[in-house]
Amino acid sequence: QSALTQPASVSGSPGQSITISCTGTSSDVGSYNLVSWYQQHPGKAPKVMIYEVSNRPSGVSNRFSGSKSGNTASLTISGLKAEDEGDYYCSSYTSTTSLGVFGTGTKVTVL
Amino acid sequence: EVQLVQSGAEVKKSGESLKISCKVSGYSFTSYWIGWVRQMPGKGLEWMGIIYPDDSDTRYSPSFQGQVTISADKSIATAYLQWNSLKASDTAVYYCARPLNGDFARADYWGQGTLVTVSS
Repeated sequence: QSALTQPASVSGSPGQSITISCTGTSSDVGSYNLVSWYQQHPGKAPKVMIYEVSNRPSGVSNRFSGSKSGNTASLTISGLKAEDEGDYYCSSYTSTTSLGVFGTGTKVTVL
Repeated sequence: EVQLVQSGAEVKKSGESLKISCKVSGYSFTSYWIGWVRQMPGKGLEWMGIIYPDDSDTRYSPSFQGQVTISADKSIATAYLQWNSLKASDTAVYYCARPLNGDFARADYWGQGTLVTVSS
């Protein structure tokens, strides 16, 4: 099972919006609305920012939003802040293994 | 409060065996899947496998099948990840995580991570 494909890095200035893509296949992203996005800071465990494509857990800023089209899911961070710097991973259920599969990860830099 | 508390860092030599643990509290251990995620130095996250403690149903990602063993002890609400013969390439941080029943893409609860260092 190959990892979902994400851009290696995305950057933006404070206040701007950025979008991270996550491309899978018809066995995962394309067939299930079970896509989550995680934020990970250095030395810390990942934290769910979005689940089921576009839902935010309680406590997550509404600056984070998610969407999906075909085999590609996207995470948008609006009003970028310094605290948003970190690594972001998408994840999807995959019928190939009946498990979750992560994306390759994207490093977000706030300029 | 849901907590997943992992065992401490390990330093081992190639060929040695190892079993790390993840003790949970704050929820019914037998009602949720629990799994392990590998993060090699400077690399991304990888699901290794998951186990349903109630009946020990276990699923492994193909890359990890036959390389590790995932188990659980219901009596002490603890999940384990075990190697019989470590390799230098097993050096990584290992997280236990609780995926949501019905949504294995979403894991709301994570352990603090266990750093395993294997020297050759």
